[in-house]
Amino acid sequence: AQSVTQLDSQVPVFEEAPVELRCNYSSSVSVYLFWYVQYPNQGLQLLLKYLSGSTLVKGINGFEAEFNKSQTSFHLRKPSVHISDTAEYFCAVSDGNSNYQLIWGAGTKLIIKP
Amino acid sequence: NAGVMQNPRHLVRRRGQEARLRCSPMKGHSHVYWYRQLPEEGLKFMVYLQKENIIDESGMPKERFSAEFPKEGPSILRIQQVVRGDSAAYFCASSPLTGSTGELFFGEGSRLTVL
Repeated sequence: AQSVTQLDSQVPVFEEAPVELRCNYSSSVSVYLFWYVQYPNQGLQLLLKYLSGSTLVKGINGFEAEFNKSQTSFHLRKPSVHISDTAEYFCAVSDGNSNYQLIWGAGTKLIIKP
Repeated sequence: NAGVMQNPRHLVRRRGQEARLRCSPMKGHSHVYWYRQLPEEGLKFMVYLQKENIIDESGMPKERFSAEFPKEGPSILRIQQVVRGDSAAYFCASSPLTGSTGELFFGEGSRLTVL
């Protein structure tokens, strides 16, 4: 069975510093990969997704993620964070059969320190 | 705000009571999905509905849980005779179409606490 591991439950980082949120998955088949973000008091929204093609995916708000098949990872990065990036970030995996039967990580809270 | 609307945002129930969670999808969306997030865990799929039809309920517990999406009105997730283990955040999502890559649009979630 597929699983998704987000290695850090919380990541504190200073404003304007770079950040990487880690996501590893276990799957023996081709997958689609997603990062969703939940800002305080809002619903989850899609940040970016990898379906095929270039392994470097750019999303909204300056975030990007790199699909690494050999390491089964899909880490999320931003070169310089802003206080408005404070949110919880969720990594999710699909086996491609449906858009709703996703396997989700437990989430990583990004805490921006001024 | 034309996003997915969930209510109530917070609900407290005593063991044995019923909980009803409501979800209004985004305008124009006819596909609704419910997910549950237990503390310290990822979201888990529960059920997928279209108007008046349950398409996939493979993630629903066999007892006490039911969901509907009537022709008129919001989708409702109903939990009968709640137990402490039902305490969780329940998220609703909608999409305009299905398929393997269709984006899901989520509500803010309803947080159920069972005393």
